[in-house]
Amino acid sequence: GAVVSQHPSRVICKSGTSVKIECRSLDFQATTMFWYRQFPKQSLMLMATSNEGSKATYEQGVEKDKFLINHASLTLSTLTVTSAHPEDSSFYICSARDSRLAGNEQFFGPGTRLTVL
Amino acid sequence: GDSVTQMEGPVTLSEEAFLTINCTYTATGYPSLFWYVQYPGEGLQLLLKATKADDKGSNKGFEATYRKETTSFHLEKGSVQVSDSAVYFCALSEGTSYDKVIFGPGTSLSVIP
Repeated sequence: GAVVSQHPSRVICKSGTSVKIECRSLDFQATTMFWYRQFPKQSLMLMATSNEGSKATYEQGVEKDKFLINHASLTLSTLTVTSAHPEDSSFYICSARDSRLAGNEQFFGPGTRLTVL
Repeated sequence: GDSVTQMEGPVTLSEEAFLTINCTYTATGYPSLFWYVQYPGEGLQLLLKATKADDKGSNKGFEATYRKETTSFHLEKGSVQVSDSAVYFCALSEGTSYDKVIFGPGTSLSVIP
């Protein structure tokens, strides 16, 4: 149980284009989803937290107009990197949890590697 | 603010060697503590966790004990295998609200035959 998937697993795009990454909870309802960014050989940095049906809460320093997050259902959240540039190249990982369940930790997706040329 | 510190890697061990990866934390409250593992090219998997002082988390031969007096949560395994090669992240979350997870920098482990 508690499986989170991401799609695509890898994406290469040209500078200036937008890229959408999907995060799905496959066997549970995710009231809260999280988006992280991981640079090579570094730890995960939380970008934003989204609750189903609400606007995402972004961490300090993360541009909300650049990284658009939608969490319209209990099983799907999307991250859109708008007008991507080479410095946006990174490994993006989502996680999900059902906040209604006490003691329910976050479950992580396999990650999406974005390369912007 | 809350933070997690891990021993720097990379760590290289021979198969069947004993593993210790040190982790210490700073927190204002009573956090839950986690170890996550990340295999090459993959996302994170929860390895083990402990939610209160003196709890021992264990999984797949790995163990870690929540030591409040030393604010530590060191990861140990008695005999590592090549398949244990991965990056290990120590992390904390305040209380039982897992919405804010703070990760350590990660420790890369390579196990050679």
